[in-house]
Amino acid sequence: DGGITQSPKYLFRKEGQNVTLSCEQNLNHDAMYWYRQDPGQGLRLIYYSQIVNDFQKGDIAEGYSVSREKKESFPLTVTSAQKNPTAFYLCASSIYRDGGLLNTGELFFGEGSRLTVL
Amino acid sequence: GQNIDQPTEMTATEGAIVQINCTYQTSGFNGLFWYQQHAGEAPTFLSYNVLDGLEEKGRFSSFLSRSKGYSYLLLKELQMKDSASYLCAVRRNYGQNFVFGPGTRLSVLP
Repeated sequence: DGGITQSPKYLFRKEGQNVTLSCEQNLNHDAMYWYRQDPGQGLRLIYYSQIVNDFQKGDIAEGYSVSREKKESFPLTVTSAQKNPTAFYLCASSIYRDGGLLNTGELFFGEGSRLTVL
Repeated sequence: GQNIDQPTEMTATEGAIVQINCTYQTSGFNGLFWYQQHAGEAPTFLSYNVLDGLEEKGRFSSFLSRSKGYSYLLLKELQMKDSASYLCAVRRNYGQNFVFGPGTRLSVLP
């Protein structure tokens, strides 16, 4: 079955440590995204990538880094520079919509990774 | 700037109809999406509007007015399992990325 797999589902980190969240998709989607969700707030875009070896900052990229070496994979590193990293992190992918009306290009989400900094 | 507004919480009774509104002001517009998210889970796609008007999918319908920057999600014949957060999201023209509203937490009571 096609889908998006995020790991780990739960992660605990000490202050000052970097941590990398994994995201893999087998949907053959070109575009991949990382969102952060805090209680009572909507999803906020961290980074996104439309093609391999290219990515752009979203609205809250400070303290995060990504890579896109393979179409299937888009890992997110939460660095020690991120001031408030405790959150629910969601990875998503979509077809890169070419302007045609044959597909909606909606986001498909992974199950999420819940990061807690102790 | 980017701004999407939704009511924070709504309550409705099983079997009833509820309308969740969404207003938006974004730089560029290439479609409006509604997602359902149960607590602790990932969002799942419900509906999509890119042209003005009503789109119907079973018990769920979504409406869009681009000139007013307004959309609503209509849920009919409410069931207990419809208790969830409903997220309104706009896809921007450039960069193919999406901006989300804060979500509306719907509680369906027996």
